[in-house]
Amino acid sequence: EDKVVQSPLSLVVHEGDTVTLNCSYEVTNFRSLLWYKQEKKAPTFLFMLTSSGIEKKSGRLSSILDKKELSSILNITATQTGDSAIYLCAVEVGGSQGNLIFGKGTKLSVKP
Amino acid sequence: NAGVTQTPKFRILKIGQSMTLQCTQDMNHNYMYWYRQDPGMGLKLIYYSVGAGITDKGEVPNGYNVSRSTTEDFPLRLELAAPSQTSVYFCASSGVGKNIQYFGAGTRLSVL
Repeated sequence: EDKVVQSPLSLVVHEGDTVTLNCSYEVTNFRSLLWYKQEKKAPTFLFMLTSSGIEKKSGRLSSILDKKELSSILNITATQTGDSAIYLCAVEVGGSQGNLIFGKGTKLSVKP
Repeated sequence: NAGVTQTPKFRILKIGQSMTLQCTQDMNHNYMYWYRQDPGMGLKLIYYSVGAGITDKGEVPNGYNVSRSTTEDFPLRLELAAPSQTSVYFCASSGVGKNIQYFGAGTRLSVL
């Protein structure tokens, strides 16, 4: 059975800290891995990673896929209270019409 | 830019009642999805559609039905509501690349 595991499940940090969120997967026919940020409502897309191993960056956020370890990390530097959210990792598996398998998410709380 | 629009935002049902959750997208995406999200859990796929007239079951389809008569609309029907269907429901869509899904704001449903 395909599965995606995120760790930690929750994390509390102070503004200015750097955090690393983890996502590991066991799936057949991996195609890509996606990170989403979920605040109070809809998940919003952050990054898509493929087996090319290219790091993706956007401001203080960055992410990379380790295809040997079957995992990905999402780094957030100089955290702000606005980074407080649930971060979801999802893996697209081939042959299933673009369906995503989601992890349970990491709830990040950034305190002033 | 409306994107993916879901209605209603909130709903309380009594056991045994039925209702339809509406989802419409204006991005001309072929692929559409329905997920449910329970507290502390990731998103679970209920049904998906690869185009008008074509739908298929996801991981947790029992108790739900869908239809896709147009590219824009993908309603989710609950026929006999049960307390186990209390959840937050998200509709999503994706385009030619299939893997980046864009989400609606969600419908919070309580069945009492």
